[in-house]
This record gives sequence, structure tokens and C-alpha cells, in this order.
Amino acid sequence: DIQLTQSPSTLSASVGDRVTITCRASQSVNTWLAWYQQKPGKAPKLLIYKASTLEGGVPSRFSGSGSGTEFSLTISSLQPDDFATYYCQQYNSYWTFGQGTKVEIK
Amino acid sequence: EVQLLESGGGLVQPGGSLRLSCAASGYTLSAYGVSWVRQAPGKGLEWVSGISGSGSNTYYADSVRGRFTISRDNYKNTLWLQMHSLSAEDTAVYYCAKDGESGTSPYYFDFWGQGTLVTVSS
Repeated sequence: DIQLTQSPSTLSASVGDRVTITCRASQSVNTWLAWYQQKPGKAPKLLIYKASTLEGGVPSRFSGSGSGTEFSLTISSLQPDDFATYYCQQYNSYWTFGQGTKVEIK
Repeated sequence: EVQLLESGGGLVQPGGSLRLSCAASGYTLSAYGVSWVRQAPGKGLEWVSGISGSGSNTYYADSVRGRFTISRDNYKNTLWLQMHSLSAEDTAVYYCAKDGESGTSPYYFDFWGQGTLVTVSS
């Protein structure tokens, strides 16, 4: 099974900050990686798929990069609506999620 | 508009069974796979089971293989997750989620239902 490790587990940041979340896979997943945003009590929302493709309607301040085993999600200028938990997911071999990164207000 | 609506959750005793349903609409069901993903209270997301658009291929996480069965009826626009031998570790919100592309899984999930809570407790 492919394991995904996200870092950090918690990130404290302020509005306007540039933030980056990293996702490391235990073996190559090529670019078959997605990122989701989840707010309390809500279903996850797709942000990025195929490592760097922005889902329709998602603000351009979100971007993804990486391939193989190292990936990152960057928010260029953090907005109040972005405080949430973020998950990476591989879909190269079945499906696996990272443990999540909570972005909280500093 | 794509909609996924889960139902069937509730309180069940350890060792019991429960069947979850996911009513899908707004897209051609037979063209897309669907998965069940769960989230234990305060925990992260865990993929549980998936099924291809036609229903001919099914997939299970090791944690539920042999206890859970996924199925679908595209004419009824409904998917199910039959769960047996439930334990406290199965307590979670269960989401159904649609593949983002048609064809052979696996794919990312572009639409999710609102979830249904399963609580396993005596």
C-alpha cells in the first residue's frame, strides 16, 4: 500500500501569508495526486488534481506541484476562507489520503 | 447539477450490520466510478471501497474486505454499502464520492455527498 505523509500537521498563519503544505509518498505515484480542502462538518472539496491542475471554480491563489514522491500545495496569499484542513490523495494505486494539515489563524 | 445524497446511517451494536445508500443524480451514472470514504470523529479521511461505473469492478480497503460489500444499480441511480460485523473502529461519517473522470479507476473525486454518520456502540 502507498502511504502519504503530510507536513506540517498544523500550520499557523496570518491573512496574506504564503503557505506551503508538503505531501510525500512512500513510492512513486507519478502525478496521480489530488488536494482537497475540508471545513468542519462539511464534505471535502476538490482543489487540485493530477498534481497541478486546478479544479474549475477554485481560486488561482491555490497551486500544486510535484511528481513521483514529492508534492506541494501552495496558497499564494492566505484568505479568511482558507482556514481549513487540507488533504492530499494518491490515486495511482487504489486510493490513499494523507493525514491532513490544519491551517489555523496565527 | 451533480448531487450525491447518503442515507442509512445510525446507531448499531457491535457485531451488527447496516446498509448505507447513496442516491446520485445530475450525471450519467454508468460512466463514473464511485467510492465510499469515511472519517472517524476528529480523524482524517480513509478510503473504504470503490466500484466502477458498470459495477463490474469493486475495490476494498484491507480494513473492511470481507465485511463490507459495495454495489450499485444505475437504473435506480443508487449505490449501496452493506456493512457486517461492525465494531467501534467503524464509527465514522461515511461519504460517497464520484470519480472525476469516466473510464477505468482510480481517479480523484470531484463531487462528494454530505455524509451519513454510523455509530457502533452498545
